[in-house]
Amino acid sequence: QVQLVQSGAEVKKPGASVQVSCKASGYTFIHYYLHWVRQVTGQGFEWIGWINPITGATIYAQKFQGRVTMTRDTSINTAFMDLSSLRSDDTAVYYCARDYAFGRRKNYFDTWGRGTLVIVSS
Amino acid sequence: DIQMTQSPSSVSASVGDRVTISCRATQDISSSLAWYQEKPGNAPKLLIYAASSLHSGVPSRFSGGGSGTNFTLTISSLLPEDFATYFCQQANTFPYTFGQGTKLELK
Repeated sequence: QVQLVQSGAEVKKPGASVQVSCKASGYTFIHYYLHWVRQVTGQGFEWIGWINPITGATIYAQKFQGRVTMTRDTSINTAFMDLSSLRSDDTAVYYCARDYAFGRRKNYFDTWGRGTLVIVSS
Repeated sequence: DIQMTQSPSSVSASVGDRVTISCRATQDISSSLAWYQEKPGNAPKLLIYAASSLHSGVPSRFSGGGSGTNFTLTISSLLPEDFATYFCQQANTFPYTFGQGTKLELK
């Protein structure tokens, strides 16, 4: 079945960087856009950006521009999100989520990873 | 950014009840709205997309409606597994934004 398996929890100090990975299985990786979303505890979800797995093209929410980089490695069906200059308010669960549309982008998320907790604390 | 406001923030109901949750956008988003179900420890599940289209495998007791700025999610007859948190998401305008969630609790 379609699955997105994310890397494990991370604890980082303020100013550091974190990389979260998202390994896809059960479908052809390059056929579906991948989005990254986060949820701060007790708050709603926040969309971070998307990556086109074929071209590697990305779009980021303005809030994260300059701090986030999304990449992918098609040889291992894995997407990566790097977030730098971490602050305490970046403490959240980070999710990768597959766009539901084959070969295009509709911005609905039909499959989500289980989430990766990133804690930023000194 | 488009703000998505859900109401109520929580609702208590019984098995068999009909429940409707609302989601309002601060700008016209046409029919570009999704509803998700979230349970603790699990990945969110897509229920409805394009405001009223039922995602594959989702039971027909779930339905969505609305367009423009006002949307609803209705569960026609609650089952025990439906007690969860539900949230909406607009897919029309970058950046894509979410409602704050509605917690559906057992009365």
